[in-house]
Amino acid sequence: GAVVSQHPSRVICKSGTSVKIECRSLDFQATTMFWYRQFPKQSLMLMATSNEGSKATYEQGVEKDKFLINHASLTLSTLTVTSAHPEDSSFYICSVGALRQGRNTIYFGEGSWLTVV
Amino acid sequence: DAKTTQPTSMDCAEGRAANLPCNHSTISGNEYVYWYRQIHSQGPQYIIHGLKNNETNEMASLIITEDRKSSTLILPHATLRDTAVYYCIVRPIVTGDYKLSFGAGTTVTVRA
Repeated sequence: GAVVSQHPSRVICKSGTSVKIECRSLDFQATTMFWYRQFPKQSLMLMATSNEGSKATYEQGVEKDKFLINHASLTLSTLTVTSAHPEDSSFYICSVGALRQGRNTIYFGEGSWLTVV
Repeated sequence: DAKTTQPTSMDCAEGRAANLPCNHSTISGNEYVYWYRQIHSQGPQYIIHGLKNNETNEMASLIITEDRKSSTLILPHATLRDTAVYYCIVRPIVTGDYKLSFGAGTTVTVRA
């Protein structure tokens, strides 16, 4: 079964509005979660590291005021795209890692398609 | 800066073994080799990972050369549902730092 769950799987929003995407770790607690973005026909690009109880760490070139990340509990991280524009339309994916049976394994959510119209 | 090199694409026949190569000539002693795949419009799916020994699970086998500069992912009996983009990624052995750097991957098409 799924280890990481994202919601919504698809969302359409109007330009200028904000949209929130949730990432839940179902099987274990996670002090860090990771958010990626993927444009059509491109690979995944890491956007930021979500840190439980503290500020997120953003990759170079990612606007922290535009992509708000909140990691309020050990099983939930949220990504809010503020004042969305059509160029923000993309596939957003989160991941969680854990040490299980002595091995570090990283799981990804199903992804969330954002379309800004 | 790409740490792995994979062929852009490859075709496989259904029912046959699919062998996916990956070069990671600059891999260091504290880095694992991870393989993921991404079926269209879905999040990446974990396949397998290893350090220096060969690994096998219910999905695939991972063969790592003795010098660790390259590896091969083997799908023993490819099916049409194995059509996906396959990513080979190297990652440091650091518990807690679980971010991954994705390259372009190999687009694998399994044909009937």
